Amino acid sequence: DVLMTQTPVSLPVSLGGQVSISCRSSQSLLHSDRNTYLHWYLQKPGQSPQLLIYRVSNRFSGVPGRFSGSGSWTDFTLKISRVEPEDLGVYYCLQSSHFPYTFGAGTKLELK
Amino acid sequence: EVKLVESGGGLVQPGRSLKLSCAASGFNFNNYWMTWVRQAPGKGLEWIGEINKDGSTINYTPSLKEKFTISRDNAQNTLYLQMSKLGSEDTAIYYCARDGSYCDYWGQGVMVTVSS
Repeated sequence: DVLMTQTPVSLPVSLGGQVSISCRSSQSLLHSDRNTYLHWYLQKPGQSPQLLIYRVSNRFSGVPGRFSGSGSWTDFTLKISRVEPEDLGVYYCLQSSHFPYTFGAGTKLELK
Repeated sequence: EVKLVESGGGLVQPGRSLKLSCAASGFNFNNYWMTWVRQAPGKGLEWIGEINKDGSTINYTPSLKEKFTISRDNAQNTLYLQMSKLGSEDTAIYYCARDGSYCDYWGQGVMVTVSS
């Protein structure tokens, strides 16, 4: 199985600040169809996960521009600029390039 | 509005079976792969498996393949997860999600507790 390593585990932030979350895979996520199936989700407290970014860098419908994704092969980053209160929660990456699909363990974004 | 509503959860004894349902609305169910994901209490997300549009292709995470069966009824716009030989390690919130690859919309989840 592809191991997804997310860092950091916990990320204290001040409102208005900028943060980055890393997700590294144990093998390349470049699919044979030339797409890279790496996605980012936010799970707010007591809620279901919600899709933020799909295929590395594409913002899902309604996701604010302060969220951006980048990366390639095995190394991916989610950046959040101007953090707002509704951004707090646990962020997960998901790879769907190789079966079985696997999630990272999560990064908890919390207030300093 | 895309809506996914899971049901069928609850308390079940170890070794027993349980079948979860996910009722879909607000989109053409026939046009989408569907996914099941679970989350043990206080833990991260675990991908269970996915089913293609007509139910002819189903992919599972290997460790759950012998216990779990995913199916769908397109006439009823409903996705199912049949779980057998349940153990305490299967205690979790079970989510259905639209689309096999992106999981773009999720249900609110249903709690399954395996305990005697």
